[in-house]
Amino acid sequence: GAGVSQSPSNKVTEKGKDVELRCDPISGHTALYWYRQSLGQGLEFLIYFQGNSAPDKSGLPSDRFSAERTGGSVSTLTIQRTQQEDSAVYLCASTTQRGNTEAFFGQGTRLTVV
Amino acid sequence: GENVEQHPSTLSVQEGDSAVIKCTYSDSASNYFPWYKQELGKRPQLIIDIRSNVGEKKDQRIAVTLNKTAKHFSLHITETQPEDSAVYFCARGGGADGLTFGKGTHLIIQP
Repeated sequence: GAGVSQSPSNKVTEKGKDVELRCDPISGHTALYWYRQSLGQGLEFLIYFQGNSAPDKSGLPSDRFSAERTGGSVSTLTIQRTQQEDSAVYLCASTTQRGNTEAFFGQGTRLTVV
Repeated sequence: GENVEQHPSTLSVQEGDSAVIKCTYSDSASNYFPWYKQELGKRPQLIIDIRSNVGEKKDQRIAVTLNKTAKHFSLHITETQPEDSAVYFCARGGGADGLTFGKGTHLIIQP
């Protein structure tokens, strides 16, 4: 595709359920980032992938959050036992190199935990 | 990840005046400094960037300056217009931890 694609665009889930968010980066982009953005707030860094490895997992808020990337392309962010405070927009971005070039963002997944 | 401090968190200026947003970083390995604009309900998009071998870069009404010694960089918007109202994020790249962002600045252009 022409840009970064995220799915689903909206997700409403019940508290305690698991959710999986998907990011399909621009083809050939080796670096992939996940951020969380609460309403009216900034970009909270979650995790960064360079290829399939994640050199920086420091932003994951708790052990309920995990992410993987396979084949150096698609990434999934999984949130287990969702809580209401997990409600936010989850943004994915990709770049061609290790943080030295423009990052392109997906449209985000708006997660609402009820 | 590497922290980036961004100030102010909110900036209100009269239409036609200039706006300045400042960011500081600490990692000397940083060599790439982009600025992103996020309009309400939309994704962040790059508006201008600068690399560490350059001190200033301009693109029409926007400019970015970099002071490597002091480890700070700034976004300047001149002759502000209503469509400049948005959230602006600075970021830095380079080193081992990829691209990290500041907390953002809500820019409000008063008519």
